Amino acid sequence: DAGVIQSPRHEVTEMGQEVTLRCKPISGHDYLFWYRQTMMRGLELLIYFNNNVPIDDSGMPEDRFSAKMPNASFSTLKIQPSEPRDSAVYFCASSLRATGGDGYTFGSGTRLTVV
Amino acid sequence: AQRVTQPEKLLSVFKGAPVELKCNYSYSGSPELFWYVQYSRQRLQLLLRHISRESIKGFTADLNKGETSFHLKKPFAQEEDSAMYYCALSAPYAGGTSYGKLTFGQGTILTVHP
Repeated sequence: DAGVIQSPRHEVTEMGQEVTLRCKPISGHDYLFWYRQTMMRGLELLIYFNNNVPIDDSGMPEDRFSAKMPNASFSTLKIQPSEPRDSAVYFCASSLRATGGDGYTFGSGTRLTVV
Repeated sequence: AQRVTQPEKLLSVFKGAPVELKCNYSYSGSPELFWYVQYSRQRLQLLLRHISRESIKGFTADLNKGETSFHLKKPFAQEEDSAMYYCALSAPYAGGTSYGKLTFGQGTILTVHP
C-alpha cells in the first residue's frame, strides 16, 4: 500500500480563488481526518469522516471551508474563496478503527500559500 | 472536552544530554495517549503509544494519571532526534463526537546541537 496520498504537494493561489485539496486514504481504513498545521496553533482537526459520513466538523473554521467524501477511497477539502490566513499545511490521515490504538497514518500534506 | 498542552514550543539540548518533552492533558475518562514525530520535510509518524509501554529510538513516555501527564524522555539525545514532536490524545469510549478523533498539542520543536 502506498499509504495516504495527498495532492497537490504544494499549492500557491491568489486570494479569492477556489482551492481543492485531495486525499486518498489507505484501503480498508474506515476513518479519515483532515488537519491543518500552522506554527501558531499547531495541528488542528478540521473534520473527520467515518465510513464516508462526516462525524465532527466543529473544527472547520468557517463556511468557506467544505469537505466531502463521496466514496471510501477519496476525499476533498475545498476552500472558497481562499484568504491569506488560510496559508498552512493541510494533512489528511486515515485510521483503521475508531480509537488511535494503531495510530493514524498521515499523508505528506499539502502546503497551501494564498497570496 | 479533551485538551492537550505542550508548554514548550522550542527545546534545545546538546548531544548526549537528557531530554524531556512535556505533555499535559485534560480528559474526564481514561484516554489513549501518543507521541508523534515529524522530521524535517517528512510526514507525521507515530513514535510511541502509552498502551504499548515500548521504547522507540530510545524514547519512553509514562502516563501519570495523577498529574495527567505523558512526558516524553530520552536519556541521551542525538542530533537525529531534532524534529517536531506532538503529543496526542484519543478518547476511547463510544458515544459523542469525541470518539475516534485524535487531539494534538501545539507541538515542541526539539533541536539537538552537536
